[in-house]
Amino acid sequence: GDSVTQMEGPVTLSEEAFLTINCTYTATGYPSLFWYVQYPGEGLQLLLKATKADDKGSNKGFEATYRKETTSFHLEKGSVQVSDSAVYFCALNDYSGGGADGLTFGKGTHLIIQP
Amino acid sequence: DAGVTQSPTHLIKTRGQHVTLRCSPISGHKSVSWYQQVLGQGPQFIFQYYEKEERGRGNFPDRFSARQFPNYSSELNVNALLLGDSALYLCASSLAPGADSYEQYFGPGTRLTVT
Repeated sequence: GDSVTQMEGPVTLSEEAFLTINCTYTATGYPSLFWYVQYPGEGLQLLLKATKADDKGSNKGFEATYRKETTSFHLEKGSVQVSDSAVYFCALNDYSGGGADGLTFGKGTHLIIQP
Repeated sequence: DAGVTQSPTHLIKTRGQHVTLRCSPISGHKSVSWYQQVLGQGPQFIFQYYEKEERGRGNFPDRFSARQFPNYSSELNVNALLLGDSALYLCASSLAPGADSYEQYFGPGTRLTVT
């Protein structure tokens, strides 16, 4: 079945540091890939997405590139801020038509940015 | 436009009881999916409803059921509650399965505690 593996947290960085959160996936089809962010006490917000190989999703200074050859979708940001502190989830959607398009999530990475 | 809304926000139940959670999708969205997020884990897909029919189901027992109404709102029902059902229950809406690059919009969730 489909699965998503992302680096364990918490990840603690200083403000303005470079961020990388690794994500790899296993899928039977050709999935779309997502990063979601969850702030304390809130639901999930879509951060960025990519629907085909070599696509780069970007939003709010975050980027991730769909790498089919390495089955990866690593999240990066050049200079993090305290407000980026949250839990980040990598997810895939392997919908092939006719059924449900439920998302498969990784376990999440808790990011803590210190001033 | 209002986003996805869920009620109640928090709920405390006793083992063996039954619970009903509610979700209203974004206006114009006809698909609702339910996810369970246990503390410290990523969300897990429970099932998806589209046009009032179940489109697919994750690995959850029959104690979990749902329905979708003509206005596309949805109820999640859980019978014979177990301690392990304590979780954040997330509702996500989308236009239709596979539509809009598979993008799903999440509500704030209902925090269920089973004692």
